[in-house]
Amino acid sequence: EPEVTQTPSHQVTQMGQEVILRCVPISNHLYFYWYRQILGQKVEFLVSFYNNEISEKSEIFDDQFSVERPDGSNFTLKIRSTKLEDSAMYFCASSVNRRSEQYFGPGTRLTVT
Amino acid sequence: AQTVTQSQPEMSVQEAETVTLSCTYDTSESDYYLFWYKQPPSRQMILVIRQEAYKQQNATENRFSVNFQKAAKSFSLKISDSQLGDAAMYFCTLRTSYDKVIFGPGTSLSVIP
Repeated sequence: EPEVTQTPSHQVTQMGQEVILRCVPISNHLYFYWYRQILGQKVEFLVSFYNNEISEKSEIFDDQFSVERPDGSNFTLKIRSTKLEDSAMYFCASSVNRRSEQYFGPGTRLTVT
Repeated sequence: AQTVTQSQPEMSVQEAETVTLSCTYDTSESDYYLFWYKQPPSRQMILVIRQEAYKQQNATENRFSVNFQKAAKSFSLKISDSQLGDAAMYFCTLRTSYDKVIFGPGTSLSVIP
């Protein structure tokens, strides 16, 4: 069964460094998403992406964040200058269309020290 | 603003019994979708069930069913014949036509053998 994959599974970085989290959505899906979940807290929507454009973003998704689909298969989330409070689990998801369910990847645990 | 509320932070159920998890939401849109996701300790997000707002019939998926009350903006999840593998965090999720996705805070379900 097709699945969303994410790399790395765990990333440790120092405050102020740039990180890129990678996702490979399911191949026939057209809509892509990033979420984060700070340990023990709720899942927060970051951004949705369709047709090479951001379709929605939350207040969390400020200028420090960017997304890209560089090659037709990968979907990346970049954090330009990480802060301690960026430490969280980051989930990528994809869906066929806006009406269908989202399939989630296993997540990348980001630790900022 | 769209919101999702889950008033039960924790619930427990005896194995083989039935449990209902509550969810209420608020949105001004008429076209939206509701989902229940399960997050076991592995932290993988797994779709349990979905409901389209335009459908009056309550969704059912094997032992899982919903009680969708559109006027009351209520979307509860019923798990019948609970199994040990049902123990997880359950998230109620609202997805709007503008592709913004809101997660509720979650309900942690324990299953007692």
